[in-house]
Amino acid sequence: DQQVKQNSPSLSVQEGRISILNCDYTNSMFDYFLWYKKYPAEGPTFLISISSIKDKNEDGRFTVFLNKSAKHLSLHIVPSQPGDSAVYFCAARPGTASKLTFGTGTRLQVTL
Amino acid sequence: NAGVTQTPKFQVLKTGQSMTLQCAQDMNHEYMSWYRQDPGMGLRLIHYSVGAGITDQGEVPNGYNVSRSTTEDFPLRLLSAAPSQTSVYFCASSYSSVFEQYFGPGTRLTVT
Repeated sequence: DQQVKQNSPSLSVQEGRISILNCDYTNSMFDYFLWYKKYPAEGPTFLISISSIKDKNEDGRFTVFLNKSAKHLSLHIVPSQPGDSAVYFCAARPGTASKLTFGTGTRLQVTL
Repeated sequence: NAGVTQTPKFQVLKTGQSMTLQCAQDMNHEYMSWYRQDPGMGLRLIHYSVGAGITDQGEVPNGYNVSRSTTEDFPLRLLSAAPSQTSVYFCASSYSSVFEQYFGPGTRLTVT
């Protein structure tokens, strides 16, 4: 039972355009959400997070939107750059609980 | 700071062999965890620790043991390797369970 789903395994976007990566969750107890970025042969690195008390969080070119009623979050990257090409994982946890549940990842390719 | 380090980077085992994957962090983080990444499965939590002397099971703990005798080290032991344990293993740490986790570079394990 996949509690965090990233239904698009891959996404290709032109440099300078917006990249939108989507994530859905089923567990209503999740109230903290994170995005991680992973390059080949490296560990994931933290990108941005959002608490359920917010519906948007912004950090430079990266914005995460949360729609609690739809149990959906999205990561927007504007403008997309070739260095953004990586696998992006969505993750969620309930409250202060230790365990993170990860999605299956979306491979983003930013083309010139 | 070296951050989170993992050794070895690559390992090939025969079915039934045992081995220990090493993980160390120099950031004085209390929380440490082990994940495995498999194609189409995202990252799944194996075991985690909220501090020295305290460990708990994650989503897929069977076939693995952990201990946490110091704050810095969190080794993962495979008791009797099976082909189903072929995977990439990541260790992660954070100040506490509520903060984002820092990941090591991973260990690629193949069991034949």
